[in-house]
Parts: sequence; C-alpha cells; structure tokens
Amino acid sequence: GIQVEQSPPDLILQEGANSTLRCNFSDSVNNLQWFHQNPWGQLINLFYIPSGTKQNGRLSATTVATERYSLLYISSSQTTDSGVYFCAAVNTGGFKTIFGAGTRLFVKA
Amino acid sequence: DAGVIQSPRHEVTEMGQEVTLRCKPISGHDYLFWYRQTMMRGLELLIYFNNNVPIDDSGMPEDRFSAKMPNASFSTLKIQPSEPRDSAVYFCASSPLGANEQFFGPGTRLTVL
Repeated sequence: GIQVEQSPPDLILQEGANSTLRCNFSDSVNNLQWFHQNPWGQLINLFYIPSGTKQNGRLSATTVATERYSLLYISSSQTTDSGVYFCAAVNTGGFKTIFGAGTRLFVKA
Repeated sequence: DAGVIQSPRHEVTEMGQEVTLRCKPISGHDYLFWYRQTMMRGLELLIYFNNNVPIDDSGMPEDRFSAKMPNASFSTLKIQPSEPRDSAVYFCASSPLGANEQFFGPGTRLTVL
C-alpha cells in the first residue's frame, strides 16, 4: 500500500519564524489532507489538497501530485501553532487512508 | 452541524471487560471511518463503512474487535475481551465521499488496566 513520510519529525521555532513541513507519498493519490493535532488531542482540518495550492491566513499548502509530495507552510508562527501536524493520503482507486508519523512543532514565546 | 460526536470521551476498564465505543457521523455523510492512535503505531485506519456497509476491515487488529453501523447516524466499535494493549485513543471520522475531506470526532481515550 501507499507509504507516507513526513519531515522533519521535530521542529522548534521562535515565535514569529516561518517553517515548511514536508509530506512525501509513494503512490498517486486522490486525497491529501493536512491536520493539526492540538495539545488536547483534537484533530483539526487544515487543508484538503490533492493537488494545487491553497491558503488560509498564515497557513498555506501546496501539493505536487506528479512528484508525490505536499508542503505545509506556516508563516509568522505563534505559540498556539504548537502541536503535531499530520498529513494523510488516500491512494487512487481506493479509500484507505494512510497517515504519516507527523511533525511535532513547538513554538517558543 | 454539531460535527462528529463520540462517546464516551474517556473510558477506563479492566482487562477482560467488554468495551463499546460510539460514534455519530455528520448528517449526510456516507462514509464513516474508525481509527486508533497509539504512540507506537501512530494513527491507523481500523475499518470504514459506506452507506452503513463495512467496506474494508483489514485494519482491525484481532477478532476481539468488531464494528457495526446499524443506521446512517450511529456506529459502534466493540472490544471483547479488552486487553491492556488496546489502550489508545480511538477516533471516528466521516466524509461525504470516500476520497473526500474527512472530519474527525474528539476521540475516546481508552485505558485498559
């Protein structure tokens, strides 16, 4: 089945800094989502982005499906951005969702 | 909409007991997914339903696990008998279409002593 790899595994930022999180997937996908798991364990939808670019405030995401990767950009980071960021992919022809291991982000005040 | 609803939010039980987790998907969503999150294995899909029918249960770890969806607004995940290694957070998610955006419930934190 499809494999999903995220990098970096851990990231520490000073408040106000920018960052890029990467998600590589091993096969073609018809769904790619980014989630933020906050310190209370909630999984919050950030982007549904099987291809192209989307922006939502300080966050944006780009998926290049032909090259099998997606990027999540966080600009002007805030302490509330701390948590774990997951990407999840559904490979073409199926509905089975595979999550990456996540990037754990800590933003220092 | 209220979003995906799960109950209970926390469950503590003793080894050997039966555990039932409940999920109410978002109204109008045809797909329902059950996931388990552990430190060792991360987030893994256990089973998913389309229009109340189980489609893929290959992620269900053992025969001790079973899931049902008797109607479009309710699903259960049952563990019988429970074991300490079943301790995890169990999430339910729903989607209007199988490959579309999934929306997650708050999860049930299960502790088996």
